[in-house]
Amino acid sequence: GAVVSQHPSWVICKSGTSVKIECRSLDFQATTMFWYRQFPKQSLMLMATSNEGSKATYEQGVEKDKFLINHASLTLSTLTVTSAHPEDSSFYICSARGLAGGPYNEQFFGPGTRLTVL
Amino acid sequence: GNSVTQMEGPVTLSEEAFLTINCTYTATGYPSLFWYVQYPGEGLQLLLKATKADDKGSNKGFEATYRKETTSFHLEKGSVQVSDSAVYFCALSSSGGYQKVTFGTGTKLQVIP
Repeated sequence: GAVVSQHPSWVICKSGTSVKIECRSLDFQATTMFWYRQFPKQSLMLMATSNEGSKATYEQGVEKDKFLINHASLTLSTLTVTSAHPEDSSFYICSARGLAGGPYNEQFFGPGTRLTVL
Repeated sequence: GNSVTQMEGPVTLSEEAFLTINCTYTATGYPSLFWYVQYPGEGLQLLLKATKADDKGSNKGFEATYRKETTSFHLEKGSVQVSDSAVYFCALSSSGGYQKVTFGTGTKLQVIP
């Protein structure tokens, strides 16, 4: 149990275009999803936390207009990188968490999405 | 705020050697501590965790003990294999992983035959 998937696993896009990344919890309901970004040879940095049906909470320094997060259902959250530029190239990882006190009340991580902006 | 410091890599070991990756932390209260592993080209996998002082997490031959007096959670394995080559992240959460997880910078381990 507790499987989280991401789609696509990798994407290459042109500068100025927008890219959408999906994060799905496959076998549990995720009331909260987290989006992380990992730069080469560095650790994961939390970008934002999203609760189902409400607006995401962004970490300091993360542009909310550039990284649009939608958590419309209990099994799906999307991250849209708008007007992508080469500096947005990175590895994006999501995690999902179930209800507090339930069997999935910790973060389970997806496999990540490699974004390359040309 | 919370922070995690782990030894810089890369660490290169011969197969069957003993592994230690040091990790220390700074946190308020009583955080839960984790080790995650990231194999090449893949996402994070939880390797082991400990939720209170003196707890020992273990999995796949890896162990780490939650030492509150030294604020440490060092990862050990008695005999590494080539398949253990990966990046290892020490991490903590003030709420058992429920809220924000703070990661260390990762330590790359390379095991050579």
